Amino acid sequence: SQTIHQWPATLVQPVGSPLSLECTVEGTSNPNLYWYRQAAGRGLQLLFYSVGIGQISSEVPQNLSASRPQDRQFILSSKKLLLSDSGFYLCAWSERKQGEQFFGPGTRLTVL
Amino acid sequence: GEDVEQSLFLSVREGDSSVINCTYTDSSSTYLYWYKQEPGAGLQLLTYIFSNMDMKQDQRLTVLLNKKDKHLSLRIADTQTGDSAIYFCADLISSGSARQLTFGSGTQLTVLP
Repeated sequence: SQTIHQWPATLVQPVGSPLSLECTVEGTSNPNLYWYRQAAGRGLQLLFYSVGIGQISSEVPQNLSASRPQDRQFILSSKKLLLSDSGFYLCAWSERKQGEQFFGPGTRLTVL
Repeated sequence: GEDVEQSLFLSVREGDSSVINCTYTDSSSTYLYWYKQEPGAGLQLLTYIFSNMDMKQDQRLTVLLNKKDKHLSLRIADTQTGDSAIYFCADLISSGSARQLTFGSGTQLTVLP
C-alpha cells in the first residue's frame, strides 16, 4: 500500500532563516506531487505541483521554491522566511491518471 | 477560475444527521470529493462522486450531486462525536498534464453530546 511521509512535523524558525521541508511517497511510481499551505483561516492554497522529476509548476509567486530530485521525493524550500510563511504545509500525491489526492500528515511551521 | 464554496460552521447533536453543503462554478468538473481533516492532521479522503451520478452511498455517508445547480452535499447519518472535524469539498479540474483539485474553505462540524 502507498504511504506518504512529511518531516519535520513541527518547526519554529526565525524570520530570515532558510527552510527545507521534505515529503516522500512509498508504494507507487511516477506520482503527481503537490504542496499546499493551509493558513489559520482554514482554506487550502496550492503552492506547487510536479508531474515528474525536475518538473515543477508554481501556482503562486512567493519566496518559496520546490524541487523534485527523485521520483517520490518533493522538497519545499525558502532562502529567507517571512512571517507570512507561517502555516500548515501539506504534501499530497495522486496517481498520474486519477484525480483523488492523498495527503501527508503535514508540517506546522511557525516563523517568529 | 473555479470557485468552490461551503458554509463555515455546522453544529449537530450526537445521533442526528449532518448535512454539509457545497457549491461549485465549473460545469466541466468530472469528479467531486469530500475530505475530512481532524485537528493537526492531514486531509483524509472520505468519498467521491463522478459527475454523471446523482447519489452515492457509503455506509453512513451519502453524497448528493445536483449538476444543474452545481450543488454537492454530504450527509452523515447517526453523527458521532468522532465525526467532529473540518470537511472539505473539492472538484477536479484538468490543467495541462496535472489534474488539480480546487478546495472549498471547509466546514467545521461540531457534534454536541
